[in-house]
Amino acid sequence: QKEVEQDPGPLSVPEGAIVSLNCTYSNSAFQYFMWYRQYSRKGPELLMYTYSSGNKEDGRFTAQVDKSSKYISLFIRDSQPSDSATYLCAMTLNSGNTPLVFGKGTRLSVIA
Amino acid sequence: GAVVSQHPSWVICKSGTSVKIECRSLDFQATTMFWYRQFPKQSLMLMATSNEGSKATYEQGVEKDKFLINHASLTLSTLTVTSAHPEDSSFYICSATPGTGDEPQHFGDGTRLSIL
Repeated sequence: QKEVEQDPGPLSVPEGAIVSLNCTYSNSAFQYFMWYRQYSRKGPELLMYTYSSGNKEDGRFTAQVDKSSKYISLFIRDSQPSDSATYLCAMTLNSGNTPLVFGKGTRLSVIA
Repeated sequence: GAVVSQHPSWVICKSGTSVKIECRSLDFQATTMFWYRQFPKQSLMLMATSNEGSKATYEQGVEKDKFLINHASLTLSTLTVTSAHPEDSSFYICSATPGTGDEPQHFGDGTRLSIL
């Protein structure tokens, strides 16, 4: 079993839809959870950063962490064509100075 | 803030050539930087952890003599792919964390390396 599992998609939704992206993990020691967005031939761009369990909202994006289930989610409301990208979940044991473990990434297409 | 810059963004070279990739933190100092490699439609895989003023820590299976890392200052880490071969063709990405390390990692835009 891989440390972080993420459905690679592709996922295709109409503009304005609510998108739900998920990852599961096996290492209960992970404390910090991140979502990155990656456009083709670009580096990952940080979207959300959460510590331990709970919810965090930033504009159209909501991140949820359920440590008891080892499950994290990213919700995108009112999705736009510009949201079309690959979304990577990542997590780490300690703070920013420890290596990240990434999911495989989910490729999202938002159709106008 | 928290901008990480990589150079070059794309390089094509002949087999046997050595290639140097630079990673700079533009508006913060970083005692630790990370180097990742990403193959097409795959996720990022950690290659090594670069520590300012000391030797890099390499992940299992990554040849330290082939992928030379130098972190000579708090704003610059370099990755040199020595005697590159076609199988080294990949997307190389660096990351760094500002401040005391409590903030998340920010990534450069990556370097696409193509070895002919």
